[in-house]
Amino acid sequence: NAGVTQTPKFQVLKTGQSMTLQCAQDMNHEYMSWYRQDPGMGLRLIHYSVGAGITDQGEVPNGYNVSRSTTEDFPLRLLSAAPSQTSVYFCASSADRGSGNTIYFGEGSWLTVV
Amino acid sequence: KQEVTQIPAALSVPEGENLVLNCSFTDSAIYNLQWFRQDPGKGLTSLLLIQSSQREQTSGRLNASLDKSSGRSTLYIAASQPGDSATYLCAVPHGSGNTGKLIFGQGTTLQVKP
Repeated sequence: NAGVTQTPKFQVLKTGQSMTLQCAQDMNHEYMSWYRQDPGMGLRLIHYSVGAGITDQGEVPNGYNVSRSTTEDFPLRLLSAAPSQTSVYFCASSADRGSGNTIYFGEGSWLTVV
Repeated sequence: KQEVTQIPAALSVPEGENLVLNCSFTDSAIYNLQWFRQDPGKGLTSLLLIQSSQREQTSGRLNASLDKSSGRSTLYIAASQPGDSATYLCAVPHGSGNTGKLIFGQGTTLQVKP
């Protein structure tokens, strides 16, 4: 049971390039989400999904796309990278709406856009 | 709009001391509240989850309390150890339910000196 797996761990992009951050969970969780963590700003929600085929925007969605074709995977796409997207990205998953269900986070993906 | 605040931003204590970390939220209609630990360069690990109907949760040397009416939660760490050094974050769900959409405080960075 690997939990939430994110790849790559580290990535350097040039401005304007595109890339996909991968996230996979093996806990059969319905809910998955992406956050970015910036100094002084804390963790902010980018996009989330409540099940396969269902996604919605979070607090800071601009410049990012997501899709959820399977329960296990929730990739985050950067369409045209900008220096403002330099950040640490975390994927998270949780089970259904039960109030006692904790949220599990991946180890993070460090992205630098130059 | 729900806002989550953690005070202090940083704390340094000698080993063995008991300590309290504070978390406050502006909207008392929360579904639950979670405390997380984040080690440098790592993801978040859930420590304790308090459901809205509960007043406290305990795990080992950790005790988290919740007072919805006053919009506060505290994380009590007994007999602190150098291994407790980390950043501690609290978070509440955005809106109703437990969909994995969290609003985080900015965290308290704890240093426990040997």
